[in-house]
Amino acid sequence: AQSVTQLGSHVSVSEGALVLLRCNYSSSVPPYLFWYVQYPNQGLQLLLKYTTGATLVKGINGFEAEFKKSETSFHLTKPSAHMSDAAEYFCAVRGATNDYKLSFGAGTTVTVRA
Amino acid sequence: DAGVIQSPRHEVTEMGQEVTLRCKPISGHNSLFWYRQTMMRGLELLIYFNNNVPIDDSGMPEDRFSAKMPNASFSTLKIQPSEPRDSAVYFCASRPGTKSSYEQYFGPGTRLTVT
Repeated sequence: AQSVTQLGSHVSVSEGALVLLRCNYSSSVPPYLFWYVQYPNQGLQLLLKYTTGATLVKGINGFEAEFKKSETSFHLTKPSAHMSDAAEYFCAVRGATNDYKLSFGAGTTVTVRA
Repeated sequence: DAGVIQSPRHEVTEMGQEVTLRCKPISGHNSLFWYRQTMMRGLELLIYFNNNVPIDDSGMPEDRFSAKMPNASFSTLKIQPSEPRDSAVYFCASRPGTKSSYEQYFGPGTRLTVT
């Protein structure tokens, strides 16, 4: 079965500091990995995805993530946090091939200090 | 392009009443998912459809919940009778129709309050 673990349910960073959100996955098939962001009172929005090919994936709003097979990780980073990055972030992995469900992590809430 | 459309955005109802939530997926998408999000349980998949056919409904809490997808552009999630513990935000999401696409696109959600 496929699963995702997000380390840290809450992360607090200073404006301008590095944002690092950790995600580890377990998958019995080649993993397709996703990061979503959820702003207050909104739906989840796709930030970026990894399927095959280049392991460093760039997404919207200056975020990027690196797929590391040896570490079964897909950590999300942004070099310089902005106040608008305050939100909840979810990592997800696809199900088995042709099973279109996604397994989501529990989420990490990011607060940005001025 | 229009995203996933959900209605209503907010619903307040009394215990025992029937509630119907509606979803219009993105045109051309052929998988549709219903989720429930609460503080206690996080994001839970209730049911998903592929080409209008229910594929996995193992997340539907109980017989009070039912979902239909009569055509490619419309789905409903019905709760009858509703209970206070059904209070949550319900999301609909859709997936592009290509075999290799697994990403889902979420609607804005319906916030349901059952009193």
